[in-house]
Amino acid sequence: GNSVTQMEGPVTLSEEAFLTINCTYTATGYPSLFWYVQYPGEGLQLLLKATKADDKGSNKGFEATYRKETTSFHLEKGSVQVSDSAVYFCALTPYGGATNKLIFGTGTLLAVQP
Amino acid sequence: DTEVTQTPKHLVMGMTNKKSLKCEQHMGHRAMYWYKQKAKKPPELMFVYSYEKLSINESVPSRFSPECPNSSLLNLHLHALQPEDSALYLCASSPSILAGGSAGELFFGEGSRLTVL
Repeated sequence: GNSVTQMEGPVTLSEEAFLTINCTYTATGYPSLFWYVQYPGEGLQLLLKATKADDKGSNKGFEATYRKETTSFHLEKGSVQVSDSAVYFCALTPYGGATNKLIFGTGTLLAVQP
Repeated sequence: DTEVTQTPKHLVMGMTNKKSLKCEQHMGHRAMYWYKQKAKKPPELMFVYSYEKLSINESVPSRFSPECPNSSLLNLHLHALQPEDSALYLCASSPSILAGGSAGELFFGEGSRLTVL
């Protein structure tokens, strides 16, 4: 079946450090891949997406590249800020699915210290 | 206007109460969703409406009753809930239910935090 696996958190970094949050997936065909972010006390927001192999999604300094050969979609940012502290969810929608159904990973809590 | 508005933000209810959660969007989206999120867990899909018709029910207990009065509104009626139903209930919308260019791009509200005593 379809599933998403994320690295365990929490991830604690100092401001301006480099961030990587690992995400791998299991799916048939070519799913679309997403990163959603949930700031404290809020709902989820789409951070970035990629719909085909080798696509790079980017937004707000975050990037992730769709790697079909390693079934991965790791989230990176070169220099994190305190305001990036949030829970990050990797997700996919199955290829050719009849419905717009998101499958989420378990989420990774990022805490950035000043 | 790119917001999904949910009310109330917080709700405390007893196991015999009847209450409702409300969700509104004015983006012209034709698909609306209810998710349940427990602490430190990802959201779990409950219901999906497409063009005001129920399209997906993820085997949710009947004590949760969704309603979509029009394309902008989505309600979740609650009756005889259990303490384990305490959670953050998230509403979301998307242009369409179908996979396509915007597949997976959901707009979420801030949620209604429900506590069942």
